[in-house]
Amino acid sequence: QVQLQESGPGLVKPSETLSLTCAVSGASLNGYYWSWIRQPPGKGLEWIALINYSGNTFYNSSLRSRVTIARDTSKNQFSLKVMSLTAADTAVYYCARYFADSGTGWFDPWGQGALVTVSS
Amino acid sequence: DIVMTQSPLSLPVTPGEPASISCRSSQSLLESSGYTYLDWYLQKPGQSPQLLIYLVSKRASGVPDRFSGSGSGTDFTLKISRVEAEDVGIYYCMQALETPLTFGGGTKVEIK
Repeated sequence: QVQLQESGPGLVKPSETLSLTCAVSGASLNGYYWSWIRQPPGKGLEWIALINYSGNTFYNSSLRSRVTIARDTSKNQFSLKVMSLTAADTAVYYCARYFADSGTGWFDPWGQGALVTVSS
Repeated sequence: DIVMTQSPLSLPVTPGEPASISCRSSQSLLESSGYTYLDWYLQKPGQSPQLLIYLVSKRASGVPDRFSGSGSGTDFTLKISRVEAEDVGIYYCMQALETPLTFGGGTKVEIK
C-alpha cells in the first residue's frame, strides 16, 4: 500500500521561503511521477508542480517563478520550495502520486495534507 | 489553460435517491490517442481528496458501482445511482490532458 506523508513548518513569515517534504512508502520514486497540489482554506484545488522518474519537472505557470520541486531518491522523498511567500500562499499542501503515461492521467493516492499559514 | 466548470455548486440529496454532477471543459479533453483525460475526485469532510473515476468512466479500485462517469469532448457527468450518507463531501473534476492540470471549482454534496 502506497502512503505519502507531508511535513513542513506550519507557520512561516511573509517574504520567507517555505520548504515541504513528502515521504513516500510502498513505492519507489523511480517508477512514477510525483506532485504537489494546494488548497487555500475553504477553496478549491490548485496544481503546483510535477517531477517524473527522470527528474524532469513541470510547473504551473502561475507559480513557476517562485517554486521548485525536487526529489531525493536515496531517501525516497520529494520536496517543494515556495519563495517570497505572501498570505495568498496560506493553504493545505498535498503531495500525491501522479500516473502520467499514455492512457493514464490521475492522482492516486494523496497525502493527508500539511497546513501552512503565512503570517507575521 | 483549460478551464473546468462544475455545476451545481451545492447539491442537497436524499439518501437512496440519485444525484448528478456536471463538469464542462473549455476545450476538448480527447487526445489523438483516443483517450479522454477527465477524472473525478471526492474530498470527504476533513480528509484529502480521493480518486473516484479516471478516463471519464473507469472506477478506481474500491469505488462502489453506484458511482458512474460519462461524457465526451467537453461535457462530462458524474452520477450516483443511490446516494448514501458516506457520499457527502466535495466532488471535483480535473482535466489531465495538458499542464497546467486544472480542477473544477467543486460541488458540495450534502444530505437533506
